[in-house]
Order: sequence, then structure tokens, then C-alpha cells
Amino acid sequence: QKEVEQNSGPLSVPEGAIASLNCTYSDRVSQSFFWYRQYSGKSPELIMSIYSNGDKEDGRFTAQLNKASQYVSLLIRDSQPSDSATYLCAGTTGGGADGLTFGKGTHLIIQP
Amino acid sequence: EPEVTQTPSHQVTQMGQEVILRCVPISNHLYFYWYRQILGQKVEFLVSFYNNEISEKSEIFDDQFSVERPDGSNFTLKIRSTKLEDSAMYFCASSEMGGEGNEQFFGPGTRLTVL
Repeated sequence: QKEVEQNSGPLSVPEGAIASLNCTYSDRVSQSFFWYRQYSGKSPELIMSIYSNGDKEDGRFTAQLNKASQYVSLLIRDSQPSDSATYLCAGTTGGGADGLTFGKGTHLIIQP
Repeated sequence: EPEVTQTPSHQVTQMGQEVILRCVPISNHLYFYWYRQILGQKVEFLVSFYNNEISEKSEIFDDQFSVERPDGSNFTLKIRSTKLEDSAMYFCASSEMGGEGNEQFFGPGTRLTVL
């Protein structure tokens, strides 16, 4: 089983709607989770981190973690064309200077 | 806002040559990382560095790679004898904490092209 899996998309969402991005993970990367946004040709930009079960909200973004189902998601409310990017899910084992294990990313397109 | 910086932005080299990629992590961060992203593929972890030593490395980080913190601000990745398959974007990242608070911030990357 791949350690972090994402649907590569593209996921097309109308402007103003809610975009829902999903990620599943294996037992090894089961401690801390991060969502990054990556524009084409640019570096990953941290959006959210989540460590415990439940929801975490920051502005238009909500991260959700369900450790029993090994599932983490990112909701983007009031989607804007500038949200169009690839969204990377990453996890760690939680120990020390942990390297991030990334999924392949979901390409999100917000249609004006 | 503090950010990670990397130089050069683009490096072109001949196969078999040595390259050094440079990074200046965020000043109060203690943990440093290198990642690479081959075009069209996912971001892959190479190595992490804490307290002046390698903390963790992936199977990609073989004997041709080395890292160093030569002074109080720079963090470098050396590739001793480059191969065509080393062509990729190399990202440096840093974090203030380890463990659960390990939020890593990425630099803009160095695009390495091996001819």
C-alpha cells in the first residue's frame, strides 16, 4: 500500500463553491498531517497542519482527520480562481526531525 | 515574514560533475531538510539534519550525496558525481520544532539540470 494516496484529478469546482480534497494514508505515516499548496513551477506552501482527530479551521480552510479510517481531508470554502493549484497531502511518523511523505497531489481547478 | 532562501535558482552541469546547492533556513529554526521533485512526480524526502548531524535519510540519499552546515546560517547539499537522473527541483525546508510540531517551510527551490 502506498503511504499517502491522493486522487490526482483534475478536480473542477465552480467559483464560490466548496472544494473537497481527500487523502488516505498507511500505518507508517500516521502521526502528523500537513496540506501544502503548490502552484506550477513553484515550491510547496504550507496551508494547514493537523495532529489529532476532528476538524481544524483556519480562515476559508478546514482540515479534517479521522485516524480510525486513516483519512485526512481539506475543505476550501468560497473557492477563488487563485485557489487553482495542486494540493499536496503529507504525513510523518512523528519522531524527531521527520521527513515528510507526500502524496502525488490533487490538481484543483476553480472555474470562474 | 522570514523565509527560506536557496541559491542558485537554476544550475546546469555536466554528468559526473560535482554540484553544491545552498540554502539559508529561517533563522530561529533548528531542523533542516532537503527534498527533490522530478518533473511531474511527487516531492520526495532526501535527508533531515538536526544538531549538526543527519537525523534521518531516505534510500535516495546514497553515498553521492552529503549535507553540511558550514556556518551559522547556510545549509548545503552536495552531489558528488551527478547523473542524468539527478535532474530535478531540489527544495530546502526548515522547521522550528521536531516531532508533532514539525511544520516545515520550503524554499523556492533550485532547478538542477544534468546534461
